[in-house]
This record gives sequence, C-alpha cells and structure tokens, in this order.
Amino acid sequence: QVQLVQSGAEAKQPGASVKVSCKPSGDIFTGHHIHWVRQAPGQGLEWMGKIDPKTGGTHFAQKFQGRVTLSRDTSISTVYMEMNRLRSDDSAVYYCAISVEAAAVPSYDYWGQGTLVTVSS
Amino acid sequence: EIVVTQSPATLSVSPGERATLSCRASQSINSNLAWYQQKPGQAPRLLIYGALTRASGVPARFSGSGSGTEFTLTISSLQSEDFAVYFCQQYNNWPPITFGQGTRLEIK
Repeated sequence: QVQLVQSGAEAKQPGASVKVSCKPSGDIFTGHHIHWVRQAPGQGLEWMGKIDPKTGGTHFAQKFQGRVTLSRDTSISTVYMEMNRLRSDDSAVYYCAISVEAAAVPSYDYWGQGTLVTVSS
Repeated sequence: EIVVTQSPATLSVSPGERATLSCRASQSINSNLAWYQQKPGQAPRLLIYGALTRASGVPARFSGSGSGTEFTLTISSLQSEDFAVYFCQQYNNWPPITFGQGTRLEIK
C-alpha cells in the first residue's frame, strides 16, 4: 500500500526557515519523482517543484527558485522541502505527491496528509 | 507559463442531475490534463488524467473530455459525496505545472 507520511505542523516567524519531510512507504522511494504542492487557506493548488530521489535532481517553479531546497536522505528513504526567508503569505498546507498509476506523467494519485506551515509574528 | 482557467467558480446542481465543469488552457496542452476532487481538510484526489482516463477506483459517472485548450469534466448523476471543489491541472509544458483556480460544486 502506497503512503506518503509527512512531518507535523510548524509555526514560524517571518524570515525564518522551515523544513518539511515526506517519507514514502515501501519500495517506492527511488521509483517515483516526488512533487511538492502547496495550498494557502481557502485558495487553490500551487506547484512548487519536484525531486528525483534516485539522483537528487530537482526542478522548481521560477517563483520558488533560490528560496526552496528539495533534498533527500536515501539512508532513511525520506525527502525534504526546505523554504527560507518565510513570509506571511507562505502560510499554507504543503503536500508531497507522486504519480504511480500513470507514472510517466505528473498526475498525482498519492498525496501526503499535508503539513500546515503557519508564518506569523 | 500556461494559465489554466476554470469555469464557473461555483456551480449549484441538484443531486441526481448532471454537472459540467470547464477548464481552458492559455495554449494547447494536447491531452496533458488532470482533474482532482478535494473535500475540506483532505488532500486532492485524482479523478482523471490524460484528459479522459479515469484513475483507479473512480466511479464511471465521472468522465473527462477535450483536447488542445478546452476540457470538460462531467459528473453524470450527482451523488451527495460529489459536492466538493474540483481542480484541473496541466502538465504539458512544465516546469511549471499549473492548476486552475477551482470550481466549487454545491448542492442546489
């Protein structure tokens, strides 16, 4: 059974950094690129970037380039999304997601449970 | 960046009736479009990919159509559990992957 388990909610001050983890179950870690999508309260979905856990290769939306780092720790089969210089408008639920059924395209049939990041002074 | 626009923003339909949701891309995306359903407090659920292929476990009352720039999600006979927010997503030209702003399907 495929599962993506994310780390818990975070409360941060403006200007700080946050690091969210995502651990895929079983043997899917190196078989699928892991994408990150965020959703501000009451708003739509925003794609941030993706990582290939096998190679560590990443792609980002231009908006997040330079402020977001995607990394992985292969020893514990976990990927991370770190965002720096947080602002209040970064307050959102952050999801990791993968495509399994249609693995060749980024249509996400498995999602993490989401991690709420709140940025407030 | 490809802009994806959904309409209407809110759709009011009675249970048992048909719902038709639209998604338009700012340039051709071939058939590289997915549809998601999202309920409050939950992650999105994949319904359709490749514009018309139902994801595993998705009821047959959900169908997708279209190609190029115009796409439609049809729910043939609305059930109570179908009232939710629906998003479309393009993955033809990426990065970035882009989503529509969503259509809220509410009970009439």
